Amino acid sequence: AQTVTQSQPEMSVQEAETVTLSCTYDTSESDYYLFWYKQPPSRQMILVIRQEAYKQQNATENRFSVNFQKAAKSFSLKISDSQLGDAAMYFCAQGAQKLVFGQGTRLTINP
Amino acid sequence: AAGVIQSPRHLIKEKRETATLKCYPIPRHDTVYWYQQGPGQDPQFLISFYEKMQSDKGSIPDRFSAQQFSDYHSELNMSSLELGDSALYFCASSRRGGDEKLFFGSGTQLSVL
Repeated sequence: AQTVTQSQPEMSVQEAETVTLSCTYDTSESDYYLFWYKQPPSRQMILVIRQEAYKQQNATENRFSVNFQKAAKSFSLKISDSQLGDAAMYFCAQGAQKLVFGQGTRLTINP
Repeated sequence: AAGVIQSPRHLIKEKRETATLKCYPIPRHDTVYWYQQGPGQDPQFLISFYEKMQSDKGSIPDRFSAQQFSDYHSELNMSSLELGDSALYFCASSRRGGDEKLFFGSGTQLSVL
């Protein structure tokens, strides 16, 4: 069975600083993807970044980057130069077709 | 760029009524997924369709059914609604064999009174 665990229910960071959100997962699949989704108060699910499990190189999208440790089944998200608009619920998800989501981490940005 | 379109955005129903949610995937996307997100919870996978055939099934109640039509849009039919069905229902789409990114619609907020 697939499981995704986010151990930080809430995180806060000062504007312009860096924050790292943690995620661990378990799967028996050999070929899968890992995702971070952002859900602001509007409740829209917005894709932040995606990592293919077969790629060793960590994915990067502008201020967002991941630290993918396949052996440890760890997939953390680093947000650099945090902005007020980054405040949201962040969900880690894993899967090849259907996704299994973690419980979410609520990120607050302090001005 | 075109996104996943869901309708309606909000729906209010009474217990035991029926509801139909619609989803229009991104053009050229052949796979549609339905998720249910209860208050304060993470999204839970319900069901998916690939090329108009059911491809996977999750925790979808027997009272719910869904299908994908020839134009790739999908409908989620919910009958005998219960208070616990109140949730945000997301549709997502992807293109199999493509970049495998799932893009979500804005969701349909269903309230059962």
